[in-house]
Amino acid sequence: GQNIDQPTEMTATEGAIVQINCTYQTSGFNGLFWYQQHAGEAPTFLSYNVLDGLEEKGRFSSFLSRSKGYSYLLLKELQMKDSASYLCAVEDSNYQLIWGAGTKLIIKP
Amino acid sequence: NAGVTQTPKFRILKIGQSMTLQCTQDMNHNYMYWYRQDPGMGLKLIYYSVGAGITDKGEVPNGYNVSRSTTEDFPLRLELAAPSQTSVYFCASSRGTSHTGELFFGEGSRLTVL
Repeated sequence: GQNIDQPTEMTATEGAIVQINCTYQTSGFNGLFWYQQHAGEAPTFLSYNVLDGLEEKGRFSSFLSRSKGYSYLLLKELQMKDSASYLCAVEDSNYQLIWGAGTKLIIKP
Repeated sequence: NAGVTQTPKFRILKIGQSMTLQCTQDMNHNYMYWYRQDPGMGLKLIYYSVGAGITDKGEVPNGYNVSRSTTEDFPLRLELAAPSQTSVYFCASSRGTSHTGELFFGEGSRLTVL
């Protein structure tokens, strides 16, 4: 079966760095997406990786290793507004998105 | 910019009732999707469409129906509502898949079936 694993919840301190991991087992691979979802709101797109390596976008970076079936989202200089759930999703060989359950990130002052 | 608009935002249904969730996008996207999100679970695809006149089942289509008569609109119909359909529903659209697969979501519709 197809599976995406992420930690359920993480806690970090304002100003610090946090890494949210995502491992996947899917039928084929056409890319990996990260979305941010604030409580009670819709998900919003953060990043897309299809090649191995690190993609940097301001305070957020996303890493992919296809051989290991592994990705992480790195958030630097954490702000209180970064408190949200972070969703990992993989596009399989049929171009269907398989979603993880999300990681709830709690930022403490 | 309106983006993806879905209505209603909240609805309470009685068991056995039917209703339609409306979804409209103004970005001329070919791909549209309906997802449901339950606590502690990943988004589950109900139905999707790759263009006007074309629809296909996702992972959890039972109890739902869709139509796509125009590029802009993709309504989701719930027939004979059941408590298991209590969920938050998201409509989304994208230009394509892979590197053009960024999803734009509506604000969500919170449905309770009692």
